[in-house]
Amino acid sequence: DAMVIQNPRYQVTQFGKPVTLSCSQTLNHNVMYWYQQKSSQAPKLLFHYYDKDFNNEADTPDNFQSRRPNTSFCFLDIRSPGLGDAAMYLCATSREEADPQHFGDGTRLSIL
Amino acid sequence: SQQGEEDPQALSIQEGENATMNCSYKTSINNLQWYRQNSGRGLVHLILIRSNEREKHSGRLRVTLDTSKKSSSLLITASRAADTASYFCATYNAGGTSYGKLTFGQGTILTVHP
Repeated sequence: DAMVIQNPRYQVTQFGKPVTLSCSQTLNHNVMYWYQQKSSQAPKLLFHYYDKDFNNEADTPDNFQSRRPNTSFCFLDIRSPGLGDAAMYLCATSREEADPQHFGDGTRLSIL
Repeated sequence: SQQGEEDPQALSIQEGENATMNCSYKTSINNLQWYRQNSGRGLVHLILIRSNEREKHSGRLRVTLDTSKKSSSLLITASRAADTASYFCATYNAGGTSYGKLTFGQGTILTVHP
């Protein structure tokens, strides 16, 4: 089945130690998104790619970066994680920006 | 800034009852979407209603949109225990000269008791 896959499901890292989360899709969608979701809150868009065009939200912290080396893969890099970055990170895709989004099951990031 | 506000924040009902969740938003939209999220999982798209549509159905789901009141409702009929989840409305605005984005409301936690 076509889907959005996030690895790993759970990630533990140390305060200040860089971490990379990955997302892959078999839907061949143009758009890939990264959201941060904290407990009992709405998903918050960090950035998205339309094909190779990168769009960063104004309030996304500077230590969050993303790479999309090809259509299928997208990575979220957190350069120096702080305790406040502990959250669920959700990857999503859509064919076009106005279309329904397909989400992966997320990576839950814990910071020690 | 938060676009969608959902009401109620939490809803507890018995199996077989109907569940209604409401969403209000502030700015103009191109479409409004509803998503479900089971605990610890990703969001699942349920239904999309365009700004020129007033009502849409999908199985046991009925969505209405009133653009004059900037509000939408999601009705789940004959609820089941498996409907227990968080439900989010999300508004899409094409953004004019910049890119469009989907903005999520805070969600309604629905609990359906067997």
